[in-house]
Amino acid sequence: DQQVKQNSPSLSVQEGRISILNCDYTNSMFDYFLWYKKYPAEGPTFLISISSIKDKNEDGRFTVFLNKSAKHLSLHIVPSQPGDSAVYFCAAKAGGSEKLVFGKGTKLTVNP
Amino acid sequence: DGGITQSPKYLFRKEGQNVTLSCEQNLNHDAMYWYRQDPGQGLRLIYYSQIVNDFQKGDIAEGYSVSREKKESFPLTVTSAQKNPTAFYLCASSMGMRNRSPLHFGNGTRLTVT
Repeated sequence: DQQVKQNSPSLSVQEGRISILNCDYTNSMFDYFLWYKKYPAEGPTFLISISSIKDKNEDGRFTVFLNKSAKHLSLHIVPSQPGDSAVYFCAAKAGGSEKLVFGKGTKLTVNP
Repeated sequence: DGGITQSPKYLFRKEGQNVTLSCEQNLNHDAMYWYRQDPGQGLRLIYYSQIVNDFQKGDIAEGYSVSREKKESFPLTVTSAQKNPTAFYLCASSMGMRNRSPLHFGNGTRLTVT
C-alpha cells in the first residue's frame, strides 16, 4: 500500500519556465513533508520541507505548496535551470514517528 | 568537512555469501537509517537506529541485520536469506525525525549479487 504517490514518472520543461512536481498522500497522520533531489549514483539531497500547519514554504527558486484537504503537495521550481535535471522524491512522516516514507520519484529534465 | 561516508561504492558478491556495507557519519547525529532503492520503487526503509545499541526494523528488514555499537557507525549486513539483494543501498543520518531534522544521505553502495 503506497502511502506517498508521485504519479508522474517523468517531466520535461524548457529552461526558464516553471517546473511543477506533484505528490499525493493517503495517510492523514502525516504532518511533515520533504522534497529531495537525486542525481544518478549519488545520495538524495534535501531541498525543502513543509509542516502541516502551513500551506506554503519558499526557499529561493523552490516553493512547496500543501493542500491538506486534498492530501496533495507540489514543488514549484521557478525559473527552471538545466542543473535542476534530476529525480525528485517526495517524502512524509507521521507525528511522533522516526520513519520517513518516500514516493517513487519524478525524473525532471530541463531542456536548454 | 562533515558528512556520511559509505564504502565501497560498488560491491560484488556471489550468491549465498553474507556481505557488510559500511556507513560512517561525523555529523554527531543521533539517528541513522538504511534505505534500499530499486528501479521504479523509490526508497524503502530497511532498518533505523535512534540511539546507540538500539535499532528498529523498517518496512523491508527480512534478510538484513544491523548493529549500532558506536554513534558514528551503522553497518548493514545483507545475509544470504535476502532473496533479491542486488540494489542501491543508501545510508542516512539525522538529529531525529521527531525533531523534524531532515535526513542527510551518503552517496550509496551499489551491491550486485550473482
